[in-house]
Amino acid sequence: GQNIDQPTEMTATEGAIVQINCTYQTSGFNGLFWYQQHAGEAPTFLSYNVLDGLEEKGRFSSFLSRSKGYSYLLLKELQMKDSASYLCASMDSNYQLIWGAGTKLIIKP
Amino acid sequence: ETGVTQTPRHLVMGMTNKKSLKCEQHLGHNAMYWYKQSAKKPLELMFVYNFKEQTENNSVPSRFSPECPNSSHLFLHLHTLQPEDSALYLCASSQESGSGGDEQFFGPGTRLTVL
Repeated sequence: GQNIDQPTEMTATEGAIVQINCTYQTSGFNGLFWYQQHAGEAPTFLSYNVLDGLEEKGRFSSFLSRSKGYSYLLLKELQMKDSASYLCASMDSNYQLIWGAGTKLIIKP
Repeated sequence: ETGVTQTPRHLVMGMTNKKSLKCEQHLGHNAMYWYKQSAKKPLELMFVYNFKEQTENNSVPSRFSPECPNSSHLFLHLHTLQPEDSALYLCASSQESGSGGDEQFFGPGTRLTVL
């Protein structure tokens, strides 16, 4: 079956660094997406990885290892506004997104 | 209006009611999606339309009926719902479905409560 695993909740301190992990098993693979969703709001796109390696975009970076079925989202210099849920999604062979349940990130001062 | 809009934002309905959710995208995209988001569960893809043609129906009960009159508008008609259908219903659009790397843009969702 198809499965995406990510931690349910994480806590970090303002100014620190946090890494949110995601493992995936999907029928075929056409890339890995990360989205951010603030409470009561729409998910918004953060990153897309289809090749192995690290993609950096400002304070956020995303890593992919296709051989391990593994990705992580790295958030640096955490700000209070980064408190949100982070959704990992793998695109399968039919180009459909298979979603994880999301990781709720709590930032403390 | 910009992006993806959804109306209403909140809806409370009885099990015998009929209501419709509306989604409109102002991005010039050709694919539109309905998702169901329940607390602490992954997003569930319900329907996909690509160039106004339905390409996916992920075993959704017939009490949910989608309609896509054109590439900019998507409706979800609701009839005889159950309390377990209470959830956040999200609409999304992308340039087209069936291509890799095509990010989806989401609307703010309709919070549905079925009594």
